[in-house]
This record gives sequence, structure tokens and C-alpha cells, in this order.
Amino acid sequence: AQSVTQLDSHVSVSEGTPVLLRCNYSSSYSPSLFWYVQHPNKGLQLLLKYTSAATLVKGINGFEAEFKKSETSFHLTKPSAHMSDAAEYFCVFGGFKTIFGAGTRLFVKA
Amino acid sequence: KAGVTQTPRYLIKTRGQQVTLSCSPISGHRSVSWYQQTPGQGLQFLFEYFSETQRNKGNFPGRFSGRQFSNSRSEMNVSTLELGDSALYLCASSPGVGTGELFFGEGSRLTVL
Repeated sequence: AQSVTQLDSHVSVSEGTPVLLRCNYSSSYSPSLFWYVQHPNKGLQLLLKYTSAATLVKGINGFEAEFKKSETSFHLTKPSAHMSDAAEYFCVFGGFKTIFGAGTRLFVKA
Repeated sequence: KAGVTQTPRYLIKTRGQQVTLSCSPISGHRSVSWYQQTPGQGLQFLFEYFSETQRNKGNFPGRFSGRQFSNSRSEMNVSTLELGDSALYLCASSPGVGTGELFFGEGSRLTVL
């Protein structure tokens, strides 16, 4: 069965430091994977997507993610956090059924 | 191109009442899915429609229902409201099914008193 697991429910970083949000997946076939961001009281917005074209995927707002098949991971990173990055982030498996991770709340300290 | 539009944005109901929420997808998108989001349960899948047919359904009681019209607009209905139905209800549209690439509306915030 397909699944996604976000390894941290909360991550706290200081402004200007790197961000790492971790996501592992389980799939019997080559997956489509996505990261979405949700700011308070808003809908979700697509940050980036992996659909097997390239293992390093660049998204909006300076975020990127690397698909690592050997580690079944799709971690989201950003070199330097900004206060506006504070939000909840969802790792998503796309297939016959779309499967959402539990979410990781990112806090950014000034 | 206009985004996904959900109406109403906020509503307050009392227990036992029913509610209908509306979702207009992005023009050309034929797939619409609905999600319930609460602080305790997180984001939970309700159902997905494609070309007026329910394609997938989440694990919710029969009080939760939905439909999709020929113009791809969708409605969901919750009957006999319970306090636990208080949530943000999110609609997402997609050009096709099973892609995982979803375009979300801002949501309808339902409060049940």
C-alpha cells in the first residue's frame, strides 16, 4: 500500500538558517510526490512536484526537494528561512488516491 | 484564470441543522475533491468527483454527501450537524484524476454550536 510519513510534526528554525522538512514514502511503483504549503486560514498551495523527470525539484519561494529512491525520501529544503515561511507543510503522494501526510508546522524565529 | 471559489467562506449552524457548501473549480478542471480539516484529525479526504461521478470516498458517515454538476461545479452537504463537524472544509480541483496536483480554494469555515 502507498503511504507518506512526515517525520516531524513541528520544526523550529531561526530566520536566515536552513530549513529541512522530512518526508518518507512507501510505494510499490514509481510515485508522484508533492509538497504543499498552508498559511493560517488559507487553502493549500502547491510548492513543488516530482514526477520522475528530475530527482532534484525546484519550487516556488526558494524551496526545493530531492527524490531519493534508495532512501524512499522526498525531503523539502530551503537554504535560508524567512519569517513568511512560517506555515504548515504537507507531503503528498499522488496516484489513484491522493494521500496526504500529517503535516509539519514550521516556526520561524526572528 | 480564476482560482477555485468556495462559498460561503464562513458559516455558523446549530446541532441538527444541515449545511450545503459550494465549490467552483478552475475552468477546464473536471475533477473536484473535498477535504475536512480539524486541529485534532488534520486533513481528511471526504470524496472526489470526476465528470459528475463519485470516484473515491473517504471514511465518513452517510451524513456527508456530495455531487458534481455538468459544469464541474460541486456541492457537499452535511445533514444532522454535530459539534464535531466544526471544521475547515476545503475543495480542490484538478484537470484529471489521480495526479496529486491539486488547486485548492480558501475553504469554508463551519462552526456548529
